[in-house]
Amino acid sequence: GAVVSQHPSRVICKSGTSVKIECRSLDFQATTMFWYRQFPKKSLMLMATSNEGSKATYEQGVEKDKFLINHASLTLSTLTVTSAHPEDSSFYICSADLAGSYNEQFFGPGTRLTVL
Amino acid sequence: AQSVTQPDIHITVSEGASLELRCNYSYGATPYLFWYVQSPGQGLQLLLKYFSGDTLVQGIKGFEAEFKRSQSSFNLRKPSVHWSDAAEYFCAANAGGTSYGKLTFGQGTILTVHP
Repeated sequence: GAVVSQHPSRVICKSGTSVKIECRSLDFQATTMFWYRQFPKKSLMLMATSNEGSKATYEQGVEKDKFLINHASLTLSTLTVTSAHPEDSSFYICSADLAGSYNEQFFGPGTRLTVL
Repeated sequence: AQSVTQPDIHITVSEGASLELRCNYSYGATPYLFWYVQSPGQGLQLLLKYFSGDTLVQGIKGFEAEFKRSQSSFNLRKPSVHWSDAAEYFCAANAGGTSYGKLTFGQGTILTVHP
C-alpha cells in the first residue's frame, strides 16, 4: 500500500516550452502533497506544499509563476514547469502525506527533466 | 537555520561488514527524524523514524538508528550489510508544528558494497 506514481519518468523538451508532471497517490487519498527538486549529487530541496483544493505554498526562492502546482483532487497533483530553460533541468520528486501516519511521506520515483 | 548534515558523501563496505551512516541535525528543539533510502528508479523508501521515546529505533531491512540528543545525532546502523543495500541514504528532519510535513534533507550518503 501507499504507492505514489509520477508521470512521465523522463522528459526532454526544448527551451521555452512548458512541461507538466503528474503525481498520483494510487491507493490512498493524500490531503497534502509535496514537490521536491534534486540537483545532481545534491540533496532534495522542498519546492512547495500542495493542499487539495487550495493554492500551493511555495518555499522561499521558488518562483510560483515558473513552477505551477495544481492539486485538483485527493489523488492527483501536477507540477507545470512553464517556459522551461536549461537551468530548470533537474530531477523532480513528489511525495504524498498519508492521513493518520503523522509526518510520514510516501515518495514517487521522480521525473528527470532535461531542457535543451 | 535548521539543517541536516551527513558528513560522509560516499562509504564503501564489504558485504557482511557492519555499517554506520552519520547524521547530525541543527534545530532549536528536537525534530522528528527520518532515514530514507533511494535506489535508482525507485522512490525514496522510509527505513525508520524517530518521534519520541526509546532512542534506539528499529526499522525495515535490518536497519536501526540511535537518537543522541547530546550529540544532535541520529546515526543509522546495520550489523551486516548485504549487496542489495547499495543505494543512497538520506537523513531528514521535520520541526513539526506549523512546519508539518516539511522535510529538510541531508546531502545523502552513497553506499557501495563490495562482494
